[in-house]
Amino acid sequence: AQSVTQPDIHITVSEGASLELRCNYSYGATPYLFWYVQSPGQGLQLLLKYFSGDTLVQGIKGFEAEFKRSQSSFNLRKPSVHWSDAAEYFCAVGAGSATNKLIFGTGTLLAVQP
Amino acid sequence: GAVVSQHPSWVICKSGTSVKIECRSLDFQATTMFWYRQFPKQSLMLMATSNEGSKATYEQGVEKDKFLINHASLTLSTLTVTSAHPEDSSFYICSARSPDSSYEQYFGPGTRLTVT
Repeated sequence: AQSVTQPDIHITVSEGASLELRCNYSYGATPYLFWYVQSPGQGLQLLLKYFSGDTLVQGIKGFEAEFKRSQSSFNLRKPSVHWSDAAEYFCAVGAGSATNKLIFGTGTLLAVQP
Repeated sequence: GAVVSQHPSWVICKSGTSVKIECRSLDFQATTMFWYRQFPKQSLMLMATSNEGSKATYEQGVEKDKFLINHASLTLSTLTVTSAHPEDSSFYICSARSPDSSYEQYFGPGTRLTVT
């Protein structure tokens, strides 16, 4: 069965520092992968997605993610974090063409120190 | 483009009453919408998949008679929590499947339900 693991429940970084949020997936075929961000009390906003092609994908707000098939990973990165990046981040994988469902990881809460 | 709205954004109701939450795709037609539930500091749990013109498909463990879903048009899906109880208090989020991509979903802002 498909699954998504986000090993880090909570991460704190200083403003201006680099960021990497980890995501590992379990899926038999080529996965469809997503990163979403959720601010408190809000819905989810898509940061970026990977379907095929170039394994390094660029997203909004200066985020990027790299698909590594050998490691079953899709880690999210940002070179310099801003205070406004503090939020919850969810990794998701598309779960089967018949259902088009998304399977979400448990999320990583990012705190940014001034 | 690709905006999904939800109404209301928050609602308080008494135990035993029913509450309807609307999910609309504002600038595209959505043949498939999804309803999620999110508990505090937890991930999204898919409750059901709503297909326009047909019955919703519920995930295992979700009571279909308690959480009624209707997808009457290509831009509107509704979730009705019937005979609500305090344990139904949660954050409910809907999404609509992109017309351009099978997996991409656009999410609404969520509805905070509190049952007293």
